[in-house]
Amino acid sequence: IAGITQAPTSQILAAGRRMTLRCTQDMRHNAMYWYRQDLGLGLRLIHYSNTAGTTGKGEVPDGYSVSRANTDDFPLTLASAVPSQTSVYFCASSSDGDYNEQFFGPGTRLTVL
Amino acid sequence: GQNIDQPTEMTATEGAIVQINCTYQTSGFNGLFWYQQHAGEAPTFLSYNVLDGLEEKGRFSSFLSRSKGYSYLLLKELQMKDSASYLCAVRDSNYQLIWGAGTKLIIKP
Repeated sequence: IAGITQAPTSQILAAGRRMTLRCTQDMRHNAMYWYRQDLGLGLRLIHYSNTAGTTGKGEVPDGYSVSRANTDDFPLTLASAVPSQTSVYFCASSSDGDYNEQFFGPGTRLTVL
Repeated sequence: GQNIDQPTEMTATEGAIVQINCTYQTSGFNGLFWYQQHAGEAPTFLSYNVLDGLEEKGRFSSFLSRSKGYSYLLLKELQMKDSASYLCAVRDSNYQLIWGAGTKLIIKP
């Protein structure tokens, strides 16, 4: 693995189903993030984790949950998917350098019907 | 509320110069980032400003004025591969990034 990986790449899901989006990074970054990106809107933060064992709510957390059992993995779960959760989901992690810039995974395109 | 404004779309000619503006109103300021995002891909980091002034990195430069809540990204010697969306993001007092909707830059030959 080099950087951040996300799975699946894309998914079509029936409304009401449970879905977990996976995110793994191998850069040993402490902070990780989940965003959704919708046409005409900026990236919106769903949940974040500053370090393993801790999580926090972002701008749009409703309907989503996360866990951070270890440094590398940060899964995002939709307990009961709704059509408004149709979006592209990006996982990101922060470096510990001066910039603390965020590195992004390739994204998961999710369609809820 | 927090707000980041960027033009929705801009068009420029290959070999020319283009300036993409970003204005912001956020609760606190701990740096401003520019990211590039090609269609269907993830955003990638371009530049970071935390102090007023110009930061130059090759063909790309980024400027910040904290007193005006204003930044711009300057792209010189435009190439076709620069066709992408450019995202402005401000790190607020909670050290979270607030993102603009992005500016889609179209480069014409």
